[in-house]
Amino acid sequence: QQQVKQSPQSLIVQKGGISIINCAYENTAFDYFPWYQQFPGKGPALLIAIRPDVSEKKEGRFTISFNKSAKQFSLHIMDSQPGDSATYFCAASRPNSGGSNYKLTFGKGTLLTVNP
Amino acid sequence: NAGVTQTPKFRVLKTGQSMTLLCAQDMNHEYMYWYRQDPGMGLRLIHYSVGEGTTAKGEVPDGYNVSRLKKQNFLLGLESAAPSQTSVYFCASSRDSSMVQYFGPGTRLTVT
Repeated sequence: QQQVKQSPQSLIVQKGGISIINCAYENTAFDYFPWYQQFPGKGPALLIAIRPDVSEKKEGRFTISFNKSAKQFSLHIMDSQPGDSATYFCAASRPNSGGSNYKLTFGKGTLLTVNP
Repeated sequence: NAGVTQTPKFRVLKTGQSMTLLCAQDMNHEYMYWYRQDPGMGLRLIHYSVGEGTTAKGEVPDGYNVSRLKKQNFLLGLESAAPSQTSVYFCASSRDSSMVQYFGPGTRLTVT
């Protein structure tokens, strides 16, 4: 059972446009939602993360929107640049019985291409 | 700081051969993880460790073993490689329940 569903699989955007990647989850125990960015030949790196006590978090051109009732969250990249071309993964985590979060469940990824 | 390093970067194995992938981190992190990445499948957790001397199974542990004898190292072993284990393997570490995982550069393994 896929616990975090990510769409679309691939996305092509023109330079200056807005890129939007969506994720949905089933498990209401999830309480931490990061996005990771991966360039070709590199390991993923944390881009931005949110907890469900806020509906939006912005860092520069990157914004996470979170809808707790719909169990959905999305990544918006404003003024997309060719350098943003990468694979983006959403993820979710829930606390264990000891109250610690340390296991991430990843979506399948979205390959973003920003054309110049 | 080198962060998270992985050895080797590339490897080709024949079916049935064994090998060990080494992950090392110099950030004094407690938690370490092994993932595999396959096209269209995202990142799937193989095994993880919450501290020196401890290991636990992740989502896809079959065919793999791990050891964490030293805090800075996390080894992933394949006892009898199969073509289905052809993948890119990533190691990651995190300080604690802060949840930021730092990934290594990956090991591309091909099993023929």
